[in-house]
Amino acid sequence: GENVEQHPSTLSVQEGDSAVIKCTYSDSASNYFPWYKQELGKGPQLIIDIRSNVGEKKDQRIAVTLNKTAKHFSLHITETQPEDSAVYFCAASRGSGTYKYIFGTGTRLKVLA
Amino acid sequence: GAVVSQHPSRVICKSGTSVKIECRSLDFQATTMFWYRQFPKQSLMLMATSNEGSKATYEQGVEKDKFLINHASLTLSTLTVTSAHPEDSSFYICSATSSTSRLSYNEQFFGPGTRLTVL
Repeated sequence: GENVEQHPSTLSVQEGDSAVIKCTYSDSASNYFPWYKQELGKGPQLIIDIRSNVGEKKDQRIAVTLNKTAKHFSLHITETQPEDSAVYFCAASRGSGTYKYIFGTGTRLKVLA
Repeated sequence: GAVVSQHPSRVICKSGTSVKIECRSLDFQATTMFWYRQFPKQSLMLMATSNEGSKATYEQGVEKDKFLINHASLTLSTLTVTSAHPEDSSFYICSATSSTSRLSYNEQFFGPGTRLTVL
């Protein structure tokens, strides 16, 4: 069945360093890849997304890259800050606007001051 | 951006009782809503997909008679956990999307979640 693998499960970085989280998806029909940040006891918040017709997208300190051939996509956070500490989830979805998301297993990021 | 609310944010109930959780899209019409369950330190697992005016589509392994979903209007979906048991204790999250509004294609907007504790 469809699944999304996410690595690493936990990641600790020093403040100011970069963090990279990687996901691999199985459904070749997926064409939309959002990333969510979830703080304790709260719902997920969209931080960046990418569609399959684009290889890279950047928004200030956050960037996402997509390799459709390898079915890989990655989240890059530069100049990390303590407030970046949270759980990050990737997801993959097909073309229909109402198609379900398949979520990765999550990465707990700790930014050490 | 679009806003989705959930009510209540937290609920504690006795085993055997039923609990209703509401999910509302506040500034757009949600043609589709999704219900997820999240156990501690785990990912979001899709329970069901709900289209306005239609019966919900449940994921494999989710009991439709236990988790009743109603999407009677374009701004409201409800999840009722019937005869709740301690193993139903979890964080329930809804999301909403629209195929007809100004929203981005494919984008789902998530609610803040409801923490259910069954004693």
